[in-house]
Parts: sequence; C-alpha cells; structure tokens
Amino acid sequence: DQQVKQNSPSLSVQEGRISILNCDYTNSMFDYFLWYKKYPAEGPTFLISISSIKDKNEDGRFTVFLNKSAKHLSLHIVPSQPGDSAVYFCAAAPRGSTLGRLYFGRGTQLTVWP
Amino acid sequence: GAGVSQTPSNKVTEKGKYVELRCDPISGHTALYWYRQSLGQGPEFLIYFQGTGAADDSGLPNDRFFAVRPEGSVSTLKIQRTERGDSAVYLCASSEQGMGEQYFGPGTRLTVT
Repeated sequence: DQQVKQNSPSLSVQEGRISILNCDYTNSMFDYFLWYKKYPAEGPTFLISISSIKDKNEDGRFTVFLNKSAKHLSLHIVPSQPGDSAVYFCAAAPRGSTLGRLYFGRGTQLTVWP
Repeated sequence: GAGVSQTPSNKVTEKGKYVELRCDPISGHTALYWYRQSLGQGPEFLIYFQGTGAADDSGLPNDRFFAVRPEGSVSTLKIQRTERGDSAVYLCASSEQGMGEQYFGPGTRLTVT
C-alpha cells in the first residue's frame, strides 16, 4: 500500500519556467517531509524538507508547500534549468519517530528543455 | 568531506548464491539505513541502525536478508540463497543522530541470474 503517492510519472518544462511537482500522502501520522533529486547511476540527493508545523519552506530556487488538511505537498522550482532534469522523490516520516524509516513515492521524471 | 560510499557498485550473482554488500557512512553519523529500489519504484526501507543496534528491521522481506554494523560505522547487508526477485539497487544512507535528512550513497546494483 503506497502511503506516499506521486501520480505524475513525468513532467516536461521549458527552461526559465516554473516546475511544480506534486505529492500526496495517506498517513496522518506523517509530520516531516523531504524532497530528493536523483540522477542516473547516483544515489538520491537531499533537496529540501518541511516540518508539519510550517506550510512553506524556501531555499533558493526551491520552495516546498505543505497543505496538511489535503495531505498534499508540492515542490516549486523557479526558474527551471536544464541541470534540474532528474527524477524527484517525495518522502515522509511519521510523527514521534526518531526519523528512522522514510516512506518514498515512486518519483517524477522532470525534463527541462532549452 | 567524503560522502556515503558503497561497494561493490555492481554485483552479478547466480540464483542461490550468497552476497554481501558494504556501506561506509559519513564519518560521525550514528544512524545508518538500508533501502532497496526496484525499477520504476521509489526506495523501499529495509533496516535502520542507531549505533551498533538495529533500531528497526521491519522492512527486511524475509529471513534470507540480514544486516550488521558491529562497530557502529561500516555496515554489511547479507543476502542468502539469492533469488531473481532480489535484483535491485541497494541504497545505503546515513544521518546524524537519526534526525533530519538522510544522505545516500550511489547504491549497489545487484543482478541475480
């Protein structure tokens, strides 16, 4: 049972425009959320995280928005660059844990074209 | 500083054989995690160590899978009697005190023929 869902397997965006990657979760015990980027033949690289006490976290071109009532989060990349082309994974951790296991979505392949 | 390293990068083995996969975490990170990623899927949790002990091994699929971290640093994932369904990329990650973001290694691609 997939507790973290990324329903769009792919997204294609022109360079300079905004990329919006979406993620939904079903477990109300999740209270910490992370986005990872993965290039081929490499391990996932941490991008940005957000705690459930916030609804927005920003780091440079990357902003994560959390809507707890909808159990939905999104990653905005502005402006998008060709080097952002990668697979993006959404991940979540449950409340009260020592941040042991992370639950991952299946990923969204982002392609940024010139 | 050095990141998480994993060896070997690729491993091809025959069905029924035993394999060991090694993970060297970031120095000073007390928490270590193993995940498995199959094609088209996200990483799937296997086991989590805090120091030398397994704090959560609920993700190990069956008793053919075992992992150790005897000195609280390097960890070895051991798979007995490998099956074709074990073919996947095995990812290791580490973090400080089991909090915050996890830092991943490049993975070991295991192919069971």
